[in-house]
Amino acid sequence: DADVTQTPRNRITKTGKRIMLECSQTKGHDRMYWYRQDPGLGLRLIYYSFDVKDINKGEISDGYSVSRQAQAKFSLSLESAIPNQTALYFCATSGPGTSAKSSYNEQFFGPGTRLTVL
Amino acid sequence: AQSVTQLGSHVSVSEGALVLLRCNYSSSVPPYLFWYVQYPNQGLQLLLKYTSAATLVKGINGFEAEFKKSETSFHLTKPSAHMSDAAEYFCAVSGPGGYNKLIFGAGTRLAVHP
Repeated sequence: DADVTQTPRNRITKTGKRIMLECSQTKGHDRMYWYRQDPGLGLRLIYYSFDVKDINKGEISDGYSVSRQAQAKFSLSLESAIPNQTALYFCATSGPGTSAKSSYNEQFFGPGTRLTVL
Repeated sequence: AQSVTQLGSHVSVSEGALVLLRCNYSSSVPPYLFWYVQYPNQGLQLLLKYTSAATLVKGINGFEAEFKKSETSFHLTKPSAHMSDAAEYFCAVSGPGGYNKLIFGAGTRLAVHP
């Protein structure tokens, strides 16, 4: 069973539409992150949350919003999608969690959501 | 501010040859450094990490990296490439203290040919 899951895995939408990407984790981690990956740019941080009541902007938060519904759930929304938001989006988690090997020093990534905005 | 530069967006090696992927960092605080691997259509998986302990770090799948403060480098190596090593590799830096916002390099795509 995957520890970090993302839905949907693929999404095609049109300019101006509102969409939500969802992330769930079973690792018991308190920290969650959203990144986008673009060819030649690596991964860039959109938003991060250190606990349910703590939400912080990353380096490229414009055009995005997030919601931390529970410790295990962190959603990313595009209020009005535009074509340059076409990218691969990753959710990640970190924290002591339930595993002796987990720590804040390591982030665990979901499989990604490929988003295309036409 | 922290940043990461990966030299070479594409590296191609023969099976059995040495793999060397280069990473240089910039950090105003003692850095934590990471190498992640991304196989096609998958998320990122941690290969290894440096968190101020031993400067030579061994990771999974036979990879290792050496932290060199004087050169601000954290290059990834593997003595003998396998076909299964073909993937994209990302170097990342964060600060200490658990405030681990990762800053990623642009990535290096490794091709392994017979």
